[in-house]
Amino acid sequence: DAGVTQSPTHLIKTRGQHVTLRCSPISGHKSVSWYQQVLGQGPQFIFQYYEKEERGRGNFPDRFSARQFPNYSSELNVNALLLGDSALYLCASSLGGFPHEQYFGPGTRLTVT
Amino acid sequence: AQSVAQPEDQVNVAEGNPLTVKCTYSVSGNPYLFWYVQYPNRGLQFLLKYITGDNLVKGSYGFEAEFNKSQTSFHLKKPSALVSDSALYFCAVRDAFSSGSARQLTFGSGTQLTVLP
Repeated sequence: DAGVTQSPTHLIKTRGQHVTLRCSPISGHKSVSWYQQVLGQGPQFIFQYYEKEERGRGNFPDRFSARQFPNYSSELNVNALLLGDSALYLCASSLGGFPHEQYFGPGTRLTVT
Repeated sequence: AQSVAQPEDQVNVAEGNPLTVKCTYSVSGNPYLFWYVQYPNRGLQFLLKYITGDNLVKGSYGFEAEFNKSQTSFHLKKPSALVSDSALYFCAVRDAFSSGSARQLTFGSGTQLTVLP
């Protein structure tokens, strides 16, 4: 079975631009979460979606938004990019909410110049 | 608020020796606890979790972790380390009774494990 897939793998953007990251969960998984991992740190929670509804939001500015589609895939959008948004963005899927474990994709490496 | 501490940035152990990666946590209620491993330029891989029940949890690749409520710890262990175990290890926690915006998994800062041949 295919794991969690994310696209693109790498991305270079300029300050002020916007970016869309995509995630396809494991087949049968209805929950998707997004994390930001800055180099040398643990992942920081951004959003969780379950059955297309937002179930949780971390401490990130409104420039960050997300949505989940009927096929349970998800997009993370970041507007007005800042240098500090440079990070590895991880998507994770799970069967449902907790305590189901989350399965992570390989991530999208975003570099903002 | 919930938090996780991994007090050691780096752990070195000789191949064949037992290994321990430490984790302590803080939650208001009961914890859900997880260990993940990350290899270079890869996403995180699930190792094991504690939800309730037996304090000793067994997971993938021969790893196990012991939940200690009185010490609020969830240390990761393996009886005999392999060179291939070298990676970045993350402990994570969520309060079992959280809701709304608190419904999130909080990760520690990670511990780099190096197994020396």
